[in-house]
Amino acid sequence: DSGVTQTPKHLITATGQRVTLRCSPRSGDLSVYWYQQSLDQGLQFLIQYYNGEERAKGNILERFSAQQFPDLHSELNLSSLELGDSALYFCASSGGQGGRHTIYFGEGSWLTVV
Amino acid sequence: ELKVEQNPLFLSMQEGKNYTIYCNYSTTSDRLYWYRQDPGKSLESLFVLLSNGAVKQEGRLMASLDTKARLSTLHITAAVHDLSATYFCAVVGGTSYGKLTFGQGTILTVHP
Repeated sequence: DSGVTQTPKHLITATGQRVTLRCSPRSGDLSVYWYQQSLDQGLQFLIQYYNGEERAKGNILERFSAQQFPDLHSELNLSSLELGDSALYFCASSGGQGGRHTIYFGEGSWLTVV
Repeated sequence: ELKVEQNPLFLSMQEGKNYTIYCNYSTTSDRLYWYRQDPGKSLESLFVLLSNGAVKQEGRLMASLDTKARLSTLHITAAVHDLSATYFCAVVGGTSYGKLTFGQGTILTVHP
């Protein structure tokens, strides 16, 4: 158990809909990252937040947005969903104790768009 | 643009044998990660390599980093079935230490 908690674990939704994925980082970690894993694109960095502020952006679509709240949990919002958005979405965190260089990944949220 | 390439992408090994997975990357970086992923599961951190010449070992796995050659290796010694998984290397790009660029992954299968 990495200490990074993601909900929901599985989600099935229809095209055009909007979903929110939630992440609680490891205790003490200030940085939260979102990654997408799909068969055709592999593992891709989406976005990073550090202590509530956006720190880095990757290949995140305009239909996607994220935020980090004062309690450090983060949400990834996916809207106008398309079939191609079906993927495993990982949240990761780092920056706390127990190896500040290590980036710990959650169990992921499986999103299926039908 | 940072590119990370692993080879081989598929590796079928017999138990007891040794083998090496290679990870090449295209631009300068001084931080490289190795992760293990079981099917449908999370990414488990194996090693973080922070400097040129860094070598780390855990059990039957040993990882090294050569920043001048832009190459990392993951060496497997006397493979056992429990090592069957997909192994990813990931390299830090840019100034954000969490912005990892991943290789394609190496699917390792260890046969009795």
